[in-house]
Amino acid sequence: SAVISQKPSRDICQRGTSLTIQCQVDSQVTMMFWYRQQPGQSLTLIATANQGSEATYESGFVIDKFPISRPNLTFSTLTVSNMSPEDSSIYLCSVGQGGLIGYGYTFGSGTRLTVV
Amino acid sequence: KQEVTQIPAALSVPEGENLVLNCSFTDSAIYNLQWFRQDPGKGLTSLLLIQSSQREQTSGRLNASLDKSSGRSTLYIAASQPGDSATYLCAVRSRMDSSYKLIFGSGTRLLVRP
Repeated sequence: SAVISQKPSRDICQRGTSLTIQCQVDSQVTMMFWYRQQPGQSLTLIATANQGSEATYESGFVIDKFPISRPNLTFSTLTVSNMSPEDSSIYLCSVGQGGLIGYGYTFGSGTRLTVV
Repeated sequence: KQEVTQIPAALSVPEGENLVLNCSFTDSAIYNLQWFRQDPGKGLTSLLLIQSSQREQTSGRLNASLDKSSGRSTLYIAASQPGDSATYLCAVRSRMDSSYKLIFGSGTRLLVRP
């Protein structure tokens, strides 16, 4: 399965600032996914990023708040913009591999964000 | 709308016990179900992937079963060890949705006491 490097692993940020999270994969993948895990909660998909096109955002998430770049098939960034304490979460990138039914997911190690 | 539920929310067992974690989903139209492990503050590690046509998957001391018609999966951990302490998440990829997103349960937090 793919190996994902995600950074930073953690950060403490001031409210009103922005943080960009990077995700590097060791193989070419068509789709990359960004998830958020709020404290004590499970994971929620933010958006799906395809190379060469705009990311597709899930309900409740908007591009102005979470702009995503996907410049090539092995790299993506997620920016958390104009942060508030409510953005304190673990952010994870993920890639999938396999056929339609056997499509399985690998996750990065996560970025633990605290907004003060 | 697909919903995934995990019971129990937390579990504490002595070392050596065999244990079962439960996952249920509301719509049986799934492509597959995947079990993950998450250590505190960390990312997810994939444990087992069960395709919709399969009944179970095994890896070492772990065995996951899938009963699609009843909307249930179980993760069986044999001879539990303190190193198994973590949160276990199940997730399904639903046929209802044309996207590739996973729908996650809220997890079972496992503590194995030495």
